[in-house]
Amino acid sequence: DSGVTQTPKHLITATGQRVTLRCSPRSGDLSVYWYQQSLDQGLQFLIQYYNGEERAKGNILERFSAQQFPDLHSELNLSSLELGDSALYFCASSVGGGLARGGELFFGEGSRLTVL
Amino acid sequence: AQTVTQSQPEMSVQEAETVTLSCTYDTSESDYYLFWYKQPPSRQMILVIRQEAYKQQNATENRFSVNFQKAAKSFSLKISDSQLGDAAMYFCAYRNYGGATNKLIFGTGTLLAVQP
Repeated sequence: DSGVTQTPKHLITATGQRVTLRCSPRSGDLSVYWYQQSLDQGLQFLIQYYNGEERAKGNILERFSAQQFPDLHSELNLSSLELGDSALYFCASSVGGGLARGGELFFGEGSRLTVL
Repeated sequence: AQTVTQSQPEMSVQEAETVTLSCTYDTSESDYYLFWYKQPPSRQMILVIRQEAYKQQNATENRFSVNFQKAAKSFSLKISDSQLGDAAMYFCAYRNYGGATNKLIFGTGTLLAVQP
């Protein structure tokens, strides 16, 4: 158990709809990262938040948005969903920018989104 | 921008044998982390081993060891005494030591099959 909690684990929805994925980081971790893993693909970085502020953006579509709340949990909002948005969405956390505790990211189990 | 390359999409090893997975990376930074993550069929991302670039000694975790060649920007993973449970997708990953953003950058992965 990594200590990172993601909900829901599975989600099936229709094209054009909007969904929200939720992530609770490990206790004490200030940074949250979102990654997308499409079928048979690697992990694509979407966005990073640090202590409530956006720190970095990757290949995140304009239809997607995220935020990190004062209690440090984060939500990834996906709207106007398309078939190609079907993927496994991972949240990961770390203590913050820099070295602490070995530098690795701790991953949640992912939210599997299926768009029909 | 930093990149990570895994040139072996698939590998196979006999149970109890040794296998080496290759990874090269590109960066202009001198301080950074390198990681190998394992993704079994459950799709959970599991940290296998980490290496800090300033350390000359190669990291070892039980049956897993790395060959870190900083000048060549090479970071291979050796799995000794392979077990059926080692069958998974293995991702090599890079992370800056610090700075404005320190997201994890992944390679495309190597799918390892373990033959009984």
